[in-house]
Amino acid sequence: QSVLTQPPSVSGAPGQRVTISCTGSSSNIGAAYDVHWYQQLPGTAPKFLISGNNNRPSGVPDRFSGFKSGTSASLAITGLQAEDEADYYCQSYDSSLSGVLFGGGTKLTVL
Amino acid sequence: EVQLVESGGGLVQPGGSLRLSCAASGFTFSSYWMSWVRQAPGKGLDWVANIKQDGTEKYYVDSVKGRFTISRDNAKNSLYLQMNSLRAEDTAVYYCARWVTPFDYWGQGVLVTVSS
Repeated sequence: QSVLTQPPSVSGAPGQRVTISCTGSSSNIGAAYDVHWYQQLPGTAPKFLISGNNNRPSGVPDRFSGFKSGTSASLAITGLQAEDEADYYCQSYDSSLSGVLFGGGTKLTVL
Repeated sequence: EVQLVESGGGLVQPGGSLRLSCAASGFTFSSYWMSWVRQAPGKGLDWVANIKQDGTEKYYVDSVKGRFTISRDNAKNSLYLQMNSLRAEDTAVYYCARWVTPFDYWGQGVLVTVSS
């Protein structure tokens, strides 16, 4: 069981907006450590999607955005497209574990 | 273009050892922290270890402390993971990644299977 909790799955129709939550605690997200997001398409390596300050690497569309509040963070995807169907992971740092953490991952299905 | 290419995976018996390598290119390797991240079959991502640019600082997840050793050779632009006393639960795809808080570049991964 991951210290960062994500819903196992979310779904949405093309064009819709979906959000994926990432819930942590006072020793990670709540301790002001940044939350980063990754996309993993089926059968491929993870890809860096968005950083804690909402910076996106070149090539990542602005349909993807990140938010953080208290001990939680969220990834929002607007204008959902079939190519967005993938697993999404949040990642932060935990001071009590002195290590990097990943959420359990969320499978996004585009209906 | 940044490239990270892992090698050295395979099938190993419980209690055995394996050494993974990651060849880096397209960036100044010696200027970056580097990491290993693994993914068990059908499961999520798990951070394994980080190493500082000059190798003087290393950090590990508790489950591999004392069994795994991360190292690097900046002259060869290479990252390594020496894995000893392997267990069935170490079975996973192992990814090499550049650590800039976040992990901004990843290799394609290499499969390690621990089984008798």
